[in-house]
Amino acid sequence: AQSVTQPDIHITVSEGASLELRCNYSYGATPYLFWYVQSPGQGLQLLLKYFSGDTLVQGIKGFEAEFKRSQSSFNLRKPSVHWSDAAEYFCAVGAGQAGTALIFGKGTTLSVSS
Amino acid sequence: GAVVSQHPSWVICKSGTSVKIECRSLDFQATTMFWYRQFPKQSLMLMATSNEGSKATYEQGVEKDKFLINHASLTLSTLTVTSAHPEDSSFYICSARGGPGNDFFGQGTRLTVV
Repeated sequence: AQSVTQPDIHITVSEGASLELRCNYSYGATPYLFWYVQSPGQGLQLLLKYFSGDTLVQGIKGFEAEFKRSQSSFNLRKPSVHWSDAAEYFCAVGAGQAGTALIFGKGTTLSVSS
Repeated sequence: GAVVSQHPSWVICKSGTSVKIECRSLDFQATTMFWYRQFPKQSLMLMATSNEGSKATYEQGVEKDKFLINHASLTLSTLTVTSAHPEDSSFYICSARGGPGNDFFGQGTRLTVV
């Protein structure tokens, strides 16, 4: 079955510290992989995505993610977290085919402490 | 980047009335749009896939007669919640697909039924 697992429901990181949010997926083929961020009461903003090629993907706001096929993982990282990064983060996978929706993980809430 | 406008951003309606939510792709054509529902502190739950010019495909457990979806053009899909009840109160989000792996999300609509 196709699924996305985000093992961490809630993470608290000190401002300036590094961050890693975990994402594991189960999919029939190499999927399109995404990380989205959602602020309270808002829609989803795309941070980055991976289709093929270099397994280390750079995104907006200083985020990056690494695709590891052997581990079926696509973890999100940021070297230095800012207070404004506090939000809900969703990992998603999809085939990219017309009519096939993305599959989302349950999300990780990031809190940033000062 | 591509923009998807969702309107209204919030709405309060009386129980038994109907509410229409619009999802527009402003600078690209989307043959496929998706409608999601999000409960507090939870992930996005796919409600239906909307294809331009054809009937929407609803996920299991979603009442098609209650949640009417129309995708009359390549830039507009609408979700009408008919005979709304308090349990329909939720955050509804649409996305429009601009191509393989290119899903763009609206800002979401907070529906409160009183």
